[in-house]
Amino acid sequence: NAGVTQTPKFQVLKTGQSMTLQCAQDMNHNSMYWYRQDPGMGLRLIYYSASEGTTDKGEVPNGYNVSRLNKREFSLRLESAAPSQTSVYFCASSTKAGFTGELFFGEGSRLTVL
Amino acid sequence: AQSVSQHNHHVILSEAASLELGCNYSYGGTVNLFWYVQYPGQHLQLLLKYFSGDPLVKGIKGFEAEFIKSKFSFNLRKPSVQWSDTAEYFCAVNAKAGGFKTIFGAGTRLFVKA
Repeated sequence: NAGVTQTPKFQVLKTGQSMTLQCAQDMNHNSMYWYRQDPGMGLRLIYYSASEGTTDKGEVPNGYNVSRLNKREFSLRLESAAPSQTSVYFCASSTKAGFTGELFFGEGSRLTVL
Repeated sequence: AQSVSQHNHHVILSEAASLELGCNYSYGGTVNLFWYVQYPGQHLQLLLKYFSGDPLVKGIKGFEAEFIKSKFSFNLRKPSVQWSDTAEYFCAVNAKAGGFKTIFGAGTRLFVKA
């Protein structure tokens, strides 16, 4: 039972390049989330998907797009990467939509934009 | 804006010292409250959670937290820390008033001296 799996774990991009972070969970969870973690700022919610077929903006959605491909998979796309998007990205999932319970996190993806 | 505030960004303690990390939130109404821990090089994992009932909740590894509704607080405590408690600790809140999104505080880095 892998839990939440993110790929890639490390990525270096040049400004203006695009990339997609992949996330998959095998816990049959309804809700999935993308957070970014920056020093001194904790985790900030980028986008979330309360259930299959729905996505909503979080605290810092600018510069990102998401796709809830199916119940298992939730991808995050950077169309034109900027140095300000250098961060560690975490995908998470949760059992319930709405008033959710515990979040289960992936191991993170460290992205550097030069 | 809704927010979660953690009072200390860095805490240094000696082994066997007592720990208290402060957390305040600005949401009104019903809330779910969490403390997550991130050990060096690892992803976030749940330490403890409060949904309802007894406002004093116990988590893993001897941690506990007290929910004080009138103070909008959910402080984390441990009577005697160990070197292995060195980690970053995040308070998180999920509230109906916040659109059911889990919002994190900035985190507190704890370093325990052996």
